[in-house]
Amino acid sequence: ETGVTQTPRHLVMGMTNKKSLKCEQHLGHNAMYWYKQSAKKPLELMFVYNFKEQTENNSVPSRFSPECPNSSHLFLHLHTLQPEDSALYLCASSQDLLAANSPLHFGNGTRLTVT
Amino acid sequence: GESVGLHLPTLSVQEGDNSIINCAYSNSASDYFIWYKQESGKGPQFIIDIRSNMDKRQGQRVTVLLNKTVKHLSLQIAATQPGDSAVYFCAETRTPLAGGGNKLTFGTGTQLKVEL
Repeated sequence: ETGVTQTPRHLVMGMTNKKSLKCEQHLGHNAMYWYKQSAKKPLELMFVYNFKEQTENNSVPSRFSPECPNSSHLFLHLHTLQPEDSALYLCASSQDLLAANSPLHFGNGTRLTVT
Repeated sequence: GESVGLHLPTLSVQEGDNSIINCAYSNSASDYFIWYKQESGKGPQFIIDIRSNMDKRQGQRVTVLLNKTVKHLSLQIAATQPGDSAVYFCAETRTPLAGGGNKLTFGTGTQLKVEL
């Protein structure tokens, strides 16, 4: 149990589909993050939320739409994705926005395949 | 065994040996560094961190060494076990305390394989 739970674990979707990824953290953290992990590439930060407010959008295409209804839940809404969007999408949380002694806690990710 | 940063992505060691995983970071202004372990099918797991005002920090069976002069970070694992098999990657950031933002820069990682 990582304290950060992501669903679904695996998702296959067509380019015209609409789907959502869900993340829930049980750690009482204030900041939540979406990262993209592609093969042989470093983790790429996508979005950051702090106390439900978005503080970072790392030039992510609009076909990815985040939603943070409260400090414990984070969603990533997907629509009209491209095959190159296939990757592992990781959710993370931290007590506060990144600082020393406030490391990220990751979920196990959603493996997304776009066909 | 020893790996050299991102140019040698796989490190194989015998069970019981010590492992040394290296990371060359890019930003001389970074003041906070973290090592993560990612097992197959799981998300990254925090192992140990170190601030730039230290050059060594020890945890349980792990030691992180920081050499700011050459921008080098290493993770030493003592008495490597099969459960240590995973991808290990370092991350660096310049924290707000040092005038930076809140972004972590991750390395691509080193695959550690423990042979029985």
